[in-house]
Amino acid sequence: QAALTQPASVSGSPGQSITISCTGTSSDVGAYNYVTWYQQHPGKVPKLIIYDVFNRPSGVSSRFSGSKSGNTASLTISGLQAEDEADYYCISYTTSSTYVFGTGTEVTVL
Amino acid sequence: QVQLQESGPGLVKPSQTLSLTCTVSGASISSGSQHWSWIRQPAGKALEWIGRVFPSGRTDCSPSLRSRVTLSIDTSKSHFSLELSSVTAADTALYYCARGAPIGPGSGWYEDNWGRGTLVTVSS
Repeated sequence: QAALTQPASVSGSPGQSITISCTGTSSDVGAYNYVTWYQQHPGKVPKLIIYDVFNRPSGVSSRFSGSKSGNTASLTISGLQAEDEADYYCISYTTSSTYVFGTGTEVTVL
Repeated sequence: QVQLQESGPGLVKPSQTLSLTCTVSGASISSGSQHWSWIRQPAGKALEWIGRVFPSGRTDCSPSLRSRVTLSIDTSKSHFSLELSSVTAADTALYYCARGAPIGPGSGWYEDNWGRGTLVTVSS
């Protein structure tokens, strides 16, 4: 199974909204609503920020939202803040009972 | 609070077997509503899912690594393990262990608790 495809980098100014895409296939992203997003700051452990496509764990800012259409999931960060500068990874459950990560996206706050 | 701690050699020679153990505290490793995962990340690169083991001993592995990976669990010692055979420099990475569990009612199972990771370098 190939890694899910994400843009290598996305940038935006403080206060703006950005969207990160995560494209897979009908065997992973398109198969179930089991897509998760992780945020990883340099040198840190990944932090779960969205699960089941659009749900937020308690304590995660409402500025983070998720969606999915067909084989592509998306993460939107609204009201971009300096602290959002990090790497973001999607991960999807697959029809083979395995998981596959995305290629990762570096978010830069200009 | 669940805590996970990876342990094992930081240096492995090419063609040898990488062996790591993850010790779990703060949760029962034998509880059915969770699985125990291995994820790795080469320096400056993306996360890669390696596989998971259930308390029952059932395992699922990434197809790209399946032929070289052995996952096991020892509930009596509250730890689970990864063995990766025939390693090459491409296996040099930070290896994380993590717990996967439902985040909410009826949700999928996701890694919500991670170890700090252990760096494994493959070099002669």
